[in-house]
Amino acid sequence: NAGVTQTPKFRILKIGQSMTLQCAQDMNHNYMYWYRQDPGMGLKLIYYSVGAGITDKGEVPNGYNVSRSTTEDFPLRLELAAPSQTSVYFCASGRGAPNTGELFFGEGSRLTVL
Amino acid sequence: AQSVTQLDSHVSVSEGTPVLLRCNYSSSYSPSLFWYVQHPNKGLQLLLKYTSAATLVKGINGFEAEFKKSETSFHLTKPSAHMSDAAEYFCVVSDAASGGYQKVTFGTGTKLQVIP
Repeated sequence: NAGVTQTPKFRILKIGQSMTLQCAQDMNHNYMYWYRQDPGMGLKLIYYSVGAGITDKGEVPNGYNVSRSTTEDFPLRLELAAPSQTSVYFCASGRGAPNTGELFFGEGSRLTVL
Repeated sequence: AQSVTQLDSHVSVSEGTPVLLRCNYSSSYSPSLFWYVQHPNKGLQLLLKYTSAATLVKGINGFEAEFKKSETSFHLTKPSAHMSDAAEYFCVVSDAASGGYQKVTFGTGTKLQVIP
């Protein structure tokens, strides 16, 4: 049972580099999300998608971009990495309303920008 | 607007004693409420959920939570802590927002320490 799969698990970037965090789910969920988790801050929503071809900004979208060409995949692109983007990133999926808060999470991608 | 407040950032209990993790919420609509658990270096896992059915909700691993509308609370409890319960716990609220999208808001988390 794969669920939500994130790659890579760990990555170190230099300031100004770009990279893509991959996320795939095999549960046929329409809703997908990217969160970042910083110590003591809970989870902050970066971007979300309610279906293939539809994406929208969350609370902290600056410096990131997403696409949703298929139901299964929801990659997160970091352009021009900055130290403030050092964080743990979680991808999640869900069925949407009426159980929008019931989410399935990947194991996270730990990113360090130096 | 919706918000969720976890009243304690750290809770420490002895093994075999009760656990109480406190959560208060604010919502303009009828909310759904959730508790998630995160073990070190892992993703979040759903513990239990309240979605307007029974106000006392039972979850996995012996945890339960009670929805109290008058107190806007959804505290998480367990009668007897086990070492494996040491983790971070997140309270989450979800309700209808403008445009039909149900916004999901996470609390800042409570780290539970279990002392042998």
